[in-house]
Amino acid sequence: QKEVEQDPGPLSVPEGAIVSLNCTYSNSAFQYFMWYRQYSRKGPELLMYTYSSGNKEDGRFTAQVDKSSKYISLFIRDSQPSDSATYLCAPGESSASKIIFGSGTRLSIRP
Amino acid sequence: DSGVTQTPKHLITATGQRVTLRCSPRSGDLSVYWYQQSLDQGLQFLIQYYNGEERAKGNILERFSAQQFPDLHSELNLSSLELGDSALYFCASSAQGGETQYFGPGTRLLVL
Repeated sequence: QKEVEQDPGPLSVPEGAIVSLNCTYSNSAFQYFMWYRQYSRKGPELLMYTYSSGNKEDGRFTAQVDKSSKYISLFIRDSQPSDSATYLCAPGESSASKIIFGSGTRLSIRP
Repeated sequence: DSGVTQTPKHLITATGQRVTLRCSPRSGDLSVYWYQQSLDQGLQFLIQYYNGEERAKGNILERFSAQQFPDLHSELNLSSLELGDSALYFCASSAQGGETQYFGPGTRLLVL
């Protein structure tokens, strides 16, 4: 079993839809939960950062962590074509050297 | 812009050759990480350096090596290149005590 499981997609939704991206993980030591966005052939960029369980909102993006079920979600409201990218979940332990990257979900927003 | 720089952006070479990829971390970051990403694949962790010393090793081939210099920039050396080494190579950095990694724009390597 992989430490971090993520549906590779692709996921295609119409513009304006609410998008839900999910990850599951197996390591209960994970305390930090990040989402990275990677445009085609570009470097991953940090999108959201959450500590422990709960929700965090940043504009159209909401990150949700449920440590009891080891489930991580990223919601995108009012999705835009510019949101088309691969989204990687990345839980971590006590430091940046303990981050495990999911394989990514490819998202396409249709105009 | 993450503050992490990588050179060159693109590299085309032949099988059997050797190349060097360079990375400069964000100002003040002591850790450097190298990743390989083949077409439509996830990030494969290769190696981490912290303040000049190797800290962690991932799926790095024996033909690959890396080092971090006193000014904290890092180089990834790839030798006896094979067609399958064609990929994007990313460098990331993190601060001492930090929980996140910041990625550079990557070097696209094409081995012909």
